[in-house]
Amino acid sequence: QKEVEQDPGPLSVPEGAIVSLNCTYSNSAFQYFMWYRQYSRKGPELLMYTYSSGNKEDGRFTAQLNRASQYISLLIRDSKLSDSATYLCAIRSSNTGKLIFGQGTTLQVKP
Amino acid sequence: GAGVSQSPRYKVAKRGQDVALRCDPISGHVSLFWYQQALGQGPEFLTYFQNEAQLDKSGLPSDRFFAERPEGSVSTLKIQRTQQEDSAVYLCASKWGSTETQYFGPGTRLLVL
Repeated sequence: QKEVEQDPGPLSVPEGAIVSLNCTYSNSAFQYFMWYRQYSRKGPELLMYTYSSGNKEDGRFTAQLNRASQYISLLIRDSKLSDSATYLCAIRSSNTGKLIFGQGTTLQVKP
Repeated sequence: GAGVSQSPRYKVAKRGQDVALRCDPISGHVSLFWYQQALGQGPEFLTYFQNEAQLDKSGLPSDRFFAERPEGSVSTLKIQRTQQEDSAVYLCASKWGSTETQYFGPGTRLLVL
């Protein structure tokens, strides 16, 4: 079993839709949870990170952490064409900052 | 300011050749990470530097992989006697101090024939 599991999709939604992306993790000791976005042939860029259970909102994006159930999710509201990308959940597993990534979910937003 | 840069962007190597991949982190970033990303997968950790010290190399897949950062800025990832399974995108990331944000470069796409 991988430490971080993520449904690879692909996910296709119309513009304006609400999208929920999910990850589960296996180690309850993990501390920091992140969502990265990766456009084709680019490096990942950090969208949001959280470390406490509950919701964290930033514009159209909401990151949700549920430590009891060991899952994290990213909600995208009013999705735009520019949201088409691969979304990677990541967990910081040690004090060095080493990240463990999920497989990534490919999202396509259609006009 | 400039972000993380990597060179070359693309590299084609014949099986058995040695390759060297370069990473220029953001100026002043103490921490530097290398990740390997296979097609359709998330990045996987290879190694970590704090300044010039390599503090974690637990992700290096074999002794054919070697990384260095001799002066605490530019880093080089070297792969000796490349194999087809080494074909992947190699990503470099840097971060400042104890912040969480790792800034990734565009990656080097390595194809071993």
